[in-house]
Amino acid sequence: KQEVTQIPAALSVPEGENLVLNCSFTDSAIYNLQWFRQDPGKGLTSLLLIQSSQREQTSGRLNASLDKSSGRSTLYIAASQPGDSATYLCAARPQGGSEKLVFGKGTKLTVNP
Amino acid sequence: NAGVTQTPKFRVLKTGQSMTLLCAQDMNHEYMYWYRQDPGMGLRLIHYSVGEGTTAKGEVPDGYNVSRLKKQNFLLGLESAAPSQTSVYFCASKHRVPTEAFFGQGTRLTVV
Repeated sequence: KQEVTQIPAALSVPEGENLVLNCSFTDSAIYNLQWFRQDPGKGLTSLLLIQSSQREQTSGRLNASLDKSSGRSTLYIAASQPGDSATYLCAARPQGGSEKLVFGKGTKLTVNP
Repeated sequence: NAGVTQTPKFRVLKTGQSMTLLCAQDMNHEYMYWYRQDPGMGLRLIHYSVGEGTTAKGEVPDGYNVSRLKKQNFLLGLESAAPSQTSVYFCASKHRVPTEAFFGQGTRLTVV
């Protein structure tokens, strides 16, 4: 059974800092891994999707990497801003005919002005 | 471009009452999902559908029923609501091919 873990559960940084959020998964047999952002009381917004054949994806100040062999993905945020404050979730789509997304519990990021 | 729309956004139910949550997507996605999100538990899959007329159980299906009579709609029903079903419910959809999933804005349900 695929399990996804995100550590730390919460992170507080000063504005302008570069930071890395971690996501680990127990089974390397995945189709892809997706990073989401969730603002308080809101739904999930897709940030980046990395297919199993890819090593990384970039969108603006965000860069996500995937290392299937070690069961890890990282989300790198450059020059963090207070507007980046949110909970960040990663979700893995297992192979083997499963159509489900398996979510981590998220990392709550606070960027202080 | 509406994407994934959930109705209603908020609801308070009394124990034993029934209700239906509606999810509608306008992206012609084959797959649709219902999740619940609880503090400390993360997102847990209730039911999902891989196409019109099909449904399947997820991780926490008890107490819920679903139907997908039309490709664009996925309904989640609670026949007899219990306080344990107090949660935020999210609907999601995606194409069959391994692409990104899109989420609705959520329905906050309180059962008293």
